[in-house]
This record gives sequence, C-alpha cells and structure tokens, in this order.
Amino acid sequence: GDSVTQMEGPVTLSEEAFLTINCTYTATGYPSLFWYVQYPGEGLQLLLKATKADDKGSNKGFEATYRKETTSFHLEKGSVQVSDSAVYFCALNQAGTALIFGKGTTLSVSS
Amino acid sequence: NAGVTQTPKFQVLKTGQSMTLQCAQDMNHEYMSWYRQDPGMGLRLIHYSVGAGITDQGEVPNGYNVSRSTTEDFPLRLLSAAPSQTSVYFCASSRSPGEGVRGYTFGSGTRLTVV
Repeated sequence: GDSVTQMEGPVTLSEEAFLTINCTYTATGYPSLFWYVQYPGEGLQLLLKATKADDKGSNKGFEATYRKETTSFHLEKGSVQVSDSAVYFCALNQAGTALIFGKGTTLSVSS
Repeated sequence: NAGVTQTPKFQVLKTGQSMTLQCAQDMNHEYMSWYRQDPGMGLRLIHYSVGAGITDQGEVPNGYNVSRSTTEDFPLRLLSAAPSQTSVYFCASSRSPGEGVRGYTFGSGTRLTVV
C-alpha cells in the first residue's frame, strides 16, 4: 500500500540555520503531497501542498518540490526561527482515499 | 470561527470504562475522519465517513465505534477503555477524502489517558 517515510528527528538547529527535512513516498498513481505542521499543544495545520510532478509548494518561507523521479517531497527553509519549532508531518493522498502520514519530525530551534 | 471542534480536550478513564469523544464541523464537509497520534507512530487512521450514514474502518479500528447521523457530527466511542488506547485523538474533515486542494482541517485534539 501507499506509505510515507520521513527522516527521524529530533532536528536541532540554531536560529537562521538552513533546514531540510527529507520525505519520500511509495504510491501507485499520482498522489497529492502535503506538509503539515503541529505546534505544541495544537492540532495539525496545512503548511504547503503540491498536486502534480514538479509543482513547488511554498508558505511562510518553507518550500517543497514534488519530485516524481525520486518519489520525494523534501521540506526546506533558508533561515529558521525559534517560532518554527514544531513537529512536521509529510503526507499523501489520492482521490478517494484518506490522508496517509509519515511519523513526524520534531524540529527544535534555539536562539 | 468555522472549523472542527473536539471535546473534551483532556480525559482520564479507568480501564473498562466507556466514553464518547465528540467532533463537530460547520463547513458542510462530507468527509470526516478520526486519527490517533502516538509517539514515533505518526497519525494512524481509526475510522472515517464519506457522508451521513456511511462509515468505514481505517488502519486501527479495534476497540472503537463510530456513527454519522448528521453531516456535522462524527463521534468516536470507546466501548471498554484499555491502557493501549492512551493517545491523542484528532478529528479531521474535508470536502472529500481525496482533497487535493485545501487539505484537511483538523481539530485541536483530545488527550486521553487510560489508567
């Protein structure tokens, strides 16, 4: 079945450092890909999305590009802030099926 | 504010007790689902519904029941709580299960502890 694999954390960075969180997927067909973010004590929020190959999703300085050839959707940010500390989930879904999540990556940014 | 409302936010149960986690949305979404979040496991789908009167099982349905009598509400019932059901539960909704545009809207979660 479809699945998502993301790098294990925690990821610990200093403020203004470059962030990459790796995400790869296994799926039949052409899924839509998502990154969700969960701030402490809150539910998940959609961060960005891409619905077809070579699409780039972006939001709040975060970016991810849908790479069909490598089945990847890595999350990047050029300069992280303390306020970016959260758990990040990569997810996919296809028409008619539920969202499938990776296990989540905890990011901790210190000043 | 429009969104998904979950109650209660916190609950402690004794083993063997039953309870219902409430979930309501006011966006007229057809699709609703329940996930549980456990450390190192990500979010796993428990049950879902594609519309009023229609429900189906997800990845980890054992020990849970659901019903969908209205579009707005999708309660999750624990029949006889077990310590393995200690988790954070999230309800989510969208216009369709394969929502590729707006993603899902999540509630703020219910933290359940079974002792």
